Amino acid sequence: SQTIHQWPATLVQPVGSPLSLECTVEGTSNPNLYWYRQAAGRGLQLLFYSVGIGQISSEVPQNLSASRPQDRQFILSSKKLLLSDSGFYLCAWGRSTDTQYFGPGTRLTVL
Amino acid sequence: DQQVKQNSPSLSVQEGRISILNCDYTNSMFDYFLWYKKYPAEGPTFLISISSIKDKNEDGRFTVFLNKSAKHLSLHIVPSQPGDSAVYFCAASQISSGSARQLTFGSGTQLTVLP
Repeated sequence: SQTIHQWPATLVQPVGSPLSLECTVEGTSNPNLYWYRQAAGRGLQLLFYSVGIGQISSEVPQNLSASRPQDRQFILSSKKLLLSDSGFYLCAWGRSTDTQYFGPGTRLTVL
Repeated sequence: DQQVKQNSPSLSVQEGRISILNCDYTNSMFDYFLWYKKYPAEGPTFLISISSIKDKNEDGRFTVFLNKSAKHLSLHIVPSQPGDSAVYFCAASQISSGSARQLTFGSGTQLTVLP
C-alpha cells in the first residue's frame, strides 16, 4: 500500500528565515505530487504540482518554490519567510486518475 | 473568484439522523468531484467521489449526489455517528497539464454530530 510522509510536523520560524519542508511517498512510482496550503479558517489552496522529476508547475505566484529531486520526493522551500506564509502545508500524491491522497501536514508558524 | 463554494460553514445533526452537506461550483470544465474529511492538525482523508457522467455514487453510509444542470453536489451521511464530526471539504477536479489533476477545494463545512 502507498504511504505519504511529511516532516517536520510542526515548525516555528522567524520572519526572514529560510524554509524547507519535505514530502516522500512510498509504495508507488512516478506519482503526481502536489503542495497545498490551508490558511486559518480557509480551504485548501494548490501551490505547486509535479508530474515528474524536475517538472514543477506553480499555481500561485508567491514567496515559495518547489523542487522534485527524486521520483518520490517533493520539497517546498523559501529563501525568506513572511508572516503571511504561516499555515498548514499539505503534500498529496495522485495518478492520472482523479483521487489525491494527502499526507499528515506541517503546521508552520512564522513569528 | 471561488469556483467551488460550501455556503454552510457549520452543521449540527443528532446522532442517527441524516447529515446533508452541500457544495456548488461554477466551472463547467470540472469533470470529477470528491469529498474529503479532515480532523484538526491532520491531512484530509478521501471519502467518496463521483464522475460527471453519473448522478449518484454510494459507499456504505455515504452517498454523493450530482446535479450537473444546477452545478450542485451533496454528500449524505446516514445514519450520522459522533465519529463523523469533522470538517468536510468538497473538491472539484479537472485535467491540468499532462497527467496532473488539479483539485479546487471549497472552504469546508464543520459537521458536529450530537450524541
